[in-house]
Amino acid sequence: DTEVTQTPKHLVMGMTNKKSLKCEQHMGHRAMYWYKQKAKKPPELMFVYSYEKLSINESVPSRFSPECPNSSLLNLHLHALQPEDSALYLCASSLWTGESSPLHFGNGTRLTVT
Amino acid sequence: GDSVTQMEGPVTLSEEAFLTINCTYTATGYPSLFWYVQYPGEGLQLLLKATKADDKGSNKGFEATYRKETTSFHLEKGSVQVSDSAVYFCALTGGSEKLVFGKGTKLTVNP
Repeated sequence: DTEVTQTPKHLVMGMTNKKSLKCEQHMGHRAMYWYKQKAKKPPELMFVYSYEKLSINESVPSRFSPECPNSSLLNLHLHALQPEDSALYLCASSLWTGESSPLHFGNGTRLTVT
Repeated sequence: GDSVTQMEGPVTLSEEAFLTINCTYTATGYPSLFWYVQYPGEGLQLLLKATKADDKGSNKGFEATYRKETTSFHLEKGSVQVSDSAVYFCALTGGSEKLVFGKGTKLTVNP
């Protein structure tokens, strides 16, 4: 079982909907990440939070809005998405953002935008 | 910038065959190196890691050695099982602290 829990597992939304993806970890990790993964591709980094502050935003469109309410929770708010945003969205956490600290991934939310 | 190059897949093997997945990297300084595995319908799991030259990471029968002289981190397993069928990603973190992935190699093991 993964120690990073993501909900929902699957999400179908229209282009005018607003929805949120949720991620939770209780490993005491202080860094949390959002990745987007298209089929047969490696994950692409979207956002990094370090000690609950946004430290990296990889030029992600504003229709994706991250939020880190506390050290255990990470949300991704979605609004006015496009069909090409359909993908697997992965949350990950690590002890810190140092180079030797491996990431622990959740099982992802499979998002379909219609 | 930092980059990782993996052998192109897919790789198809029979059970108990020997596995090698090649991985080479380009990075400034001394990166940490990782292998992640993604089983169907799941997220990525850390398989093994090495943080300095000549370190050997190992887990579940898989091994990889950090070779600075050849900038490589090849994944090996002596006898694969059907349950090893998955996509394997080589990755590094360097000075930017971002995890840089290779393109992934899909492994299918047939009984």
